[in-house]
Amino acid sequence: SQELEQSPQSLIVQEGKNLTINCTSSKTLYGLYWYKQKYGEGLIFLMMLQKGGEEKSHEKITAKLDEKKQQSSLHITASQPSHAGIYLCGADMGAGGTSYGKLTFGQGTILTVHP
Amino acid sequence: ETGVTQTPRHLVMGMTNKKSLKCEQHLGHNAMYWYKQSAKKPLELMFVYSLEERVENNSVPSRFSPECPNSSHLFLHLHTLQPEDSALYLCASSQEGFPNSPLHFGNGTRLTVT
Repeated sequence: SQELEQSPQSLIVQEGKNLTINCTSSKTLYGLYWYKQKYGEGLIFLMMLQKGGEEKSHEKITAKLDEKKQQSSLHITASQPSHAGIYLCGADMGAGGTSYGKLTFGQGTILTVHP
Repeated sequence: ETGVTQTPRHLVMGMTNKKSLKCEQHLGHNAMYWYKQSAKKPLELMFVYSLEERVENNSVPSRFSPECPNSSHLFLHLHTLQPEDSALYLCASSQEGFPNSPLHFGNGTRLTVT
């Protein structure tokens, strides 16, 4: 089993609809990062969450980290074709023992937005 | 030029060839990473260089050999690869000393081993 599980694996929505992607771990997360990737390209940093209960927003994307710091959700409001891509969560699975970013990633969620 | 730049974008090589992937970061970071992204698998961390010293080597076969001559440049030397090594190889950088500094990724090199 994977350390970080993302659900759903793929999602197809009509433009204008809201959607949620989840990222779940069996361990406490010491820093949770959301990235977006266009197929065959690099990852673009979206947001980082660190504290239990924390919530951050950027434009129409909101990310939350639950109180136990074992699950995060990414919510997109009024989706647009520009939101299409692969969304990945990455997390520091250790106890903060390194000073560099050693991240474990989920398998990604493929989002398709139909106009 | 800003960000993290990887060259080449695409590479096709035979199993007996030797090639190198190059990564350059213009962000003033001092930690650099190689990740491998295969189809239907999560990103796999291969190597980490922090302050130009290798600090992580995640059981990567010796046919992959990293080199970090300075904090701005990272190479991945490839030799006698196998077809299962075909993947997208991503380079990233971050600021050491700031554990919450996000990784900044390049656009990757799509490697095909024939």
